[in-house]
Amino acid sequence: GENVEQHPSTLSVQEGDSAVIKCTYSDSASNYFPWYKQELGKGPQLIIDIRSNVGEKKDQRIAVTLNKTAKHFSLHITETQPEDSAVYFCAARDDKIIFGKGTRLHILP
Amino acid sequence: GAVVSQHPSWVICKSGTSVKIECRSLDFQATTMFWYRQFPKQSLMLMATSNEGSKATYEQGVEKDKFLINHASLTLSTLTVTSAHPEDSSFYICSARDPFWTSSQETQYFGPGTRLLVL
Repeated sequence: GENVEQHPSTLSVQEGDSAVIKCTYSDSASNYFPWYKQELGKGPQLIIDIRSNVGEKKDQRIAVTLNKTAKHFSLHITETQPEDSAVYFCAARDDKIIFGKGTRLHILP
Repeated sequence: GAVVSQHPSWVICKSGTSVKIECRSLDFQATTMFWYRQFPKQSLMLMATSNEGSKATYEQGVEKDKFLINHASLTLSTLTVTSAHPEDSSFYICSARDPFWTSSQETQYFGPGTRLLVL
């Protein structure tokens, strides 16, 4: 089955700087790669996604890139703000969504 | 966007009792729902896939007799934790897939989660 690796597990960046989270997946049949933000005590919230026929997608301060050959994808958050502090999960899906282990992002004032 | 609700949002029970958690798709009919479990500071682990009108498919290592799943309608799936023990204490999250989902469109939505504490 699918296995998703995510790095780093913890990331601290200065407010206003950029944050990058990287993931790899194992199943070449996976065709959809969502990213979720989870705040304490809440369910995961979809923030951006990318499909296997696209290499890059951007939504305001958030962008995601996908390299199918290497089976890795990344989340980029620019101009980070305090409210970006949360746990971020990457995921991959062929038939069901499998999550990475998460990255705890701290935005430092 | 589409909304998935869960009830209750949190529950405390005594060891040995059973607890039922409901997952509802509020503005679409979900032929497929998923149940995840999340322990503190860990990721979401898929427990089972729930298909309306048929038996659930459980992931390896998940006891189907302990975690009973019923998907009796297109808007409701329930997870019953039978004879709960302290090690079952966790955050349970459901997800619902829109029936118009195709491989080209993302239409899977997550609920807010249910926190279970077994004493």
